[in-house]
Amino acid sequence: KQEVTQIPAALSVPEGENLVLNCSFTDSAIYNLQWFRQDPGKGLTSLLLIQSSQREQTSGRLNASLDKSSGRSTLYIAASQPGDSATYLCVPAADSWGKLQFGAGTQVVVTP
Amino acid sequence: DGGITQSPKYLFRKEGQNVTLSCEQNLNHDAMYWYRQDPGQGLRLIYYSQIVNDFQKGDIAEGYSVSREKKESFPLTVTSAQKNPTAFYLCASMFRGQTEAFFGQGTRLTVV
Repeated sequence: KQEVTQIPAALSVPEGENLVLNCSFTDSAIYNLQWFRQDPGKGLTSLLLIQSSQREQTSGRLNASLDKSSGRSTLYIAASQPGDSATYLCVPAADSWGKLQFGAGTQVVVTP
Repeated sequence: DGGITQSPKYLFRKEGQNVTLSCEQNLNHDAMYWYRQDPGQGLRLIYYSQIVNDFQKGDIAEGYSVSREKKESFPLTVTSAQKNPTAFYLCASMFRGQTEAFFGQGTRLTVV
């Protein structure tokens, strides 16, 4: 059974610092991996989708890398802002039908 | 606007009652999913449906039921057999083969 671990569980940084969020998963046979953010009491918002054949994906201040063979993905957020405060979830998919596996996420607080 | 709509946002259930959570999508997605989220835990899969009139149990299906009579709708019923239904429920959908999942804004169910 796929186990997803995100480190750290919580992170607090001052505005302007770069954020590095780490994710590890036990089964490297994934179809793709998606990073989401979740605001308190809200649904999940997709940030980046990395196909299993890709090494990284970028969108604005966000960059996600994937090392499938070692079961690791990292999300980098440059020049953090208070609006980046949320819980970030790393979600590998087991197959093309989207059997998603969730960890507990990393809770991020960016202070002004 | 295309998206996934969950209703109601908040729902209160008395002991012994069945309640139904609504999930509607206008994205023309094939697959739809129901997840349960408890504080400090990752999302857990309740039921999923890949095509109309077909659905499969997820990891925690006991005490829940679903139907998929229309492509755009996937309602979840929480029955009286579910002993601990207080949680945040999230609906998701996606195209097969892309596995970029889109989530609704969730329904918070509380037993009173």
